[in-house]
Amino acid sequence: SYVLTQPPSLAVAPGKTATIICGGNDIGSQRVHWYQQKAGQAPVLVISYDSDRPSGIPDRISGSKSGNTATLTISRVEAGDEADYYCQVWDLDSEHYVFGTGTKVTVL
Amino acid sequence: QVLLAQSGVEMTKPGASVRVSCKASGYTFVSYAVIWVRQAPGQGLEWMGWISPYNGDTIYAQKMQGRVSLTADKLTGSAFMDLRNLTSDDTGVYYCARKDYGSGSPVDYWGQGTLVTVFS
Repeated sequence: SYVLTQPPSLAVAPGKTATIICGGNDIGSQRVHWYQQKAGQAPVLVISYDSDRPSGIPDRISGSKSGNTATLTISRVEAGDEADYYCQVWDLDSEHYVFGTGTKVTVL
Repeated sequence: QVLLAQSGVEMTKPGASVRVSCKASGYTFVSYAVIWVRQAPGQGLEWMGWISPYNGDTIYAQKMQGRVSLTADKLTGSAFMDLRNLTSDDTGVYYCARKDYGSGSPVDYWGQGTLVTVFS
């Protein structure tokens, strides 16, 4: 089955940049979406189709993709960005949704 | 506005079954698929399957095959997730969510989640 791998955790100081990577075989051919999940809450879509920002998502949050890696970048990190972040694709071969392993972002 | 309202906390025993409901409002129910995702305590998101309320078509995660059933009622705009033969590993929060019918489309709205606890 298709696997998306993320680093388990990342610590970043306020005002700095957080870079979260998501690796998967041939991810370059996939449409990658990113979700933010704050403690005790449902996930929220923050990036769709690799780099599109849904309405209401600040432009400090951006997405990109290169080779076998997709990247979520949070610029000028704020305390409110502390959350778990998940990448997600639709695996055409298995017709299964696949979520990444998740990255916990801690703001120092 | 789009809202997915889920049923309340469930506490049940091993071997039993559970049903979680998800009532949609603020959009045309049959125009979007409903997916189900669960999250064990302290763990990541796990996709369980999805259903087309338009024609009832379903796709289940391989791991869940045979134990889960997804249904949808067009008249009431509600979706249901039934999980059978529960074990303690099924303890967690269960979410319903909405996506459009494009194969690679994202989930754009989520329910608030339903906590299911399985204990002996």
